[in-house]
Amino acid sequence: GDSVTQMEGPVTLSEEAFLTINCTYTATGYPSLFWYVQYPGEGLQLLLKATKADDKGSNKGFEATYRKETTSFHLEKGSVQVSDSAVYFCALGSFQKLVFGTGTRLLVSP
Amino acid sequence: SQTIHQWPATLVQPVGSPLSLECTVEGTSNPNLYWYRQAAGRGLQLLFYSVGIGQISSEVPQNLSASRPQDRQFILSSKKLLLSDSGFYLCAWSPPGTSGYEQYFGPGTRLTVT
Repeated sequence: GDSVTQMEGPVTLSEEAFLTINCTYTATGYPSLFWYVQYPGEGLQLLLKATKADDKGSNKGFEATYRKETTSFHLEKGSVQVSDSAVYFCALGSFQKLVFGTGTRLLVSP
Repeated sequence: SQTIHQWPATLVQPVGSPLSLECTVEGTSNPNLYWYRQAAGRGLQLLFYSVGIGQISSEVPQNLSASRPQDRQFILSSKKLLLSDSGFYLCAWSPPGTSGYEQYFGPGTRLTVT
């Protein structure tokens, strides 16, 4: 079945460091891809999305590019802030359902 | 604007006791509704989803059940809780007639079964 694999965390960075969180997927067909973020004490919220190969999703300084050839959708940010500390979930959309990865916790220190 | 509510926020229940978690959505009609469980060290697992009143699809066979008695109300229940039911339960909604991939999540309920 469809699945999503994310790098294990936590990822610990200093403020203004470069962030990469790896995500790869396995799916039949051509799924849509998403990053959701869960801030402490809150539910998940959509961060960005890409619906077809080579699309780049972006929001709040975060970016991810849909790479069909490597079945990847890595999340990047050039300069993280303390307020970016959260759990990040990669997900794929297939047959009107979302399949989530296990989540990667990001900790940013001042 | 739309808002989603879940309650209670936290719950501690003994093994074998019943469970009822409630989720309501405001500001939209006929939303798609979802129940997820987030267990420690694991991703979100879709438990149930509903595209309309009385229409429930189950994704994982277990001792939980869901009901949608009203358009914007989604209830997760169990007759007898197991230790393995502990986790973080999230309700979500998506606009009707869409792919269902852009979902809006509630704040969740932390359930501990003792």
